[in-house]
Amino acid sequence: SQQGEEDPQALSIQEGENATMNCSYKTSINNLQWYRQNSGRGLVHLILIRSNEREKHSGRLRVTLDTSKKSSSLLITASRAADTASYFCATDDYAGGTSYGKLTFGQGTILTVHP
Amino acid sequence: DTAVSQTPKYLVTQMGNDKSIKCEQNLGHDTMYWYKQDSKKFLKIMFSYNNKELIINETVPNRFSPKSPDKAHLNLHINSLELGDSAVYFCASSQRRTGRLGTFGSGTRLTVV
Repeated sequence: SQQGEEDPQALSIQEGENATMNCSYKTSINNLQWYRQNSGRGLVHLILIRSNEREKHSGRLRVTLDTSKKSSSLLITASRAADTASYFCATDDYAGGTSYGKLTFGQGTILTVHP
Repeated sequence: DTAVSQTPKYLVTQMGNDKSIKCEQNLGHDTMYWYKQDSKKFLKIMFSYNNKELIINETVPNRFSPKSPDKAHLNLHINSLELGDSAVYFCASSQRRTGRLGTFGSGTRLTVV
């Protein structure tokens, strides 16, 4: 079954604005990860947040995790045209061990940043 | 030099054919994966190898057979191709202990006609 579900499915903003994408999941997790996929390319790992963390920052990225609501959000501040891509959340729900990269992905949010 | 390279980039073939996709990584990672991305962009793991040992084998038709001759290579062979096999197939590699997918290849777009 699909685990991570992103919302919205598509987001269109102007350069300089902030972009917020949400992800909901169904089972207990070890960690949640966000990836970016540029058109026609593979995924690029952005950030990993563990189940015992609530917030994490990396450059212009801010990720929050609410395990009680089984949800996460990715905030991109001061967006740029180069941020245009699809963004996926993925959950590592292998309880008590290492997933060896067996992640469950959602369908992604398509972000378009207009210059 | 490309870290994870897969070939071919595009593959168009007829139903019933057998085809292979190759993947190589030069990062020294110990784990490699095949993921399938369907037309709705939904990405799902198919296989994972750690040091040439199969560690993840999801519910995939047995027409799909991965082969890892060494830890730097993971190939995917598909027998008797069907229309529903049309998708983008991504190879990826990582270090097992990190629990994250380190590096993806650029994908192979398979179209079965």
